[in-house]
Amino acid sequence: ILNVEQSPQSLHVQEGDSTNFTCSFPSSNFYALHWYRWETAKSPEALFVMTLNGDEKKKGRISATLNTKEGYSYLYIKGSQPEDSATYLCALSGAGSYQLTFGKGTKLSVIP
Amino acid sequence: DTGVSQDPRHKITKRGQNVTFRCDPISEHNRLYWYRQTLGQGPEFLTYFQNEAQLEKSRLLSDRFSAERPKGSFSTLEIQRTEQGDSAMYLCASSLTPYEQYFGPGTRLTVT
Repeated sequence: ILNVEQSPQSLHVQEGDSTNFTCSFPSSNFYALHWYRWETAKSPEALFVMTLNGDEKKKGRISATLNTKEGYSYLYIKGSQPEDSATYLCALSGAGSYQLTFGKGTKLSVIP
Repeated sequence: DTGVSQDPRHKITKRGQNVTFRCDPISEHNRLYWYRQTLGQGPEFLTYFQNEAQLEKSRLLSDRFSAERPKGSFSTLEIQRTEQGDSAMYLCASSLTPYEQYFGPGTRLTVT
């Protein structure tokens, strides 16, 4: 059973601030790590899928890194905007299974 | 809109009633997944289909739950004799590859 931990649970930042969240997971039985953004009343949106130790991905102001040896991933948001307000979910897929195991998420609120 | 769709978006039912939800995946996706999210938790895996075959089932999927995917297209999730503990957001996702799952907006079930 994979155990995915996310911190912090919630975060309030001022518009323009940069921020980051953490996803921790057991380093064994790792296949891929996924980041999703979930805005209220919308579908969870895939941000990144990472598989290799040292992977770094970037989409606009959002980037993510992956360390499979120590079992963590960071998600960074540069210059937060109100539209970044959402719950950010981290999920793991293990070898031999297609199911995703999610953390509880980090709820980000960006204050204008 | 060519994304994953779910119907209904909201369902209120009385304890003991049966409910059925529908998921229409992205048309070329052969893989389909159901997840459930309860308050304060991340989404939890329920079941997985590849085409019409149900290949994985979580222990969360009690005998009151049944999922089908006739002809490998849309899927239904039925809950019989609903209980208050079934109140949750039910999410459907589809994919073509193991790497990225595309989610629908979910069906929010409230059991009174």
